Amino acid sequence: AQSVTQLGSHVSVSEGALVLLRCNYSSSVPPYLFWYVQYPNQGLQLLLKYTSAATLVKGINGFEAEFKKSETSFHLTKPSAHMSDAAEYFCAVSEGFGNEKLTFGTGTRLTIIP
Amino acid sequence: GAVVSQHPSWVICKSGTSVKIECRSLDFQATTMFWYRQFPKQSLMLMATSNEGSKATYEQGVEKDKFLINHASLTLSTLTVTSAHPEDSSFYICSAPGQGITEAFFGQGTRLTVV
Repeated sequence: AQSVTQLGSHVSVSEGALVLLRCNYSSSVPPYLFWYVQYPNQGLQLLLKYTSAATLVKGINGFEAEFKKSETSFHLTKPSAHMSDAAEYFCAVSEGFGNEKLTFGTGTRLTIIP
Repeated sequence: GAVVSQHPSWVICKSGTSVKIECRSLDFQATTMFWYRQFPKQSLMLMATSNEGSKATYEQGVEKDKFLINHASLTLSTLTVTSAHPEDSSFYICSAPGQGITEAFFGQGTRLTVV
């Protein structure tokens, strides 16, 4: 069984400040981990994914995440927040290739303060 | 990249009627598709796995007779909400795994409102 915990349902940061969204996972097998972004009334867009290669993963829009096995974490960061980053962010885990069924965290709503 | 198209993007229906939602993989074949439901301000919950040419696999607690899934071809899966009730109002999203890569592509989602 696998699960994802996202700490903080709401995060607010000032424009230009560091963005840090937390994600911890639990998986019985080496996990594949994902971060998705969702804008209102839209589907999900993949930001980045970890698939057992490099532990520091760079994604789109300046986001990156680091896989830390010892901490079972996959936190999402961005050095400088932009107003367009305001959205809902979901961390997800799967058992990997051939089993792409995703288990999602509860999501974190990111608000950018001008 | 791969594209998954979901239709309609929103629908309003009366209680007791049925609504069909389509999910198409536009430039790749998908033997498996996933259907998720998202209630307001909540996360996505997997409802069922749609399998081309065979029966769908439903998650625990999901009524298979209420949420009919058909995966008749390698590019199309449909979800029919039968005898809809207001509590079925939700955002439904489908996804399909990309071929040869560890990624699922999502449709745009369907906002269902039952009145």
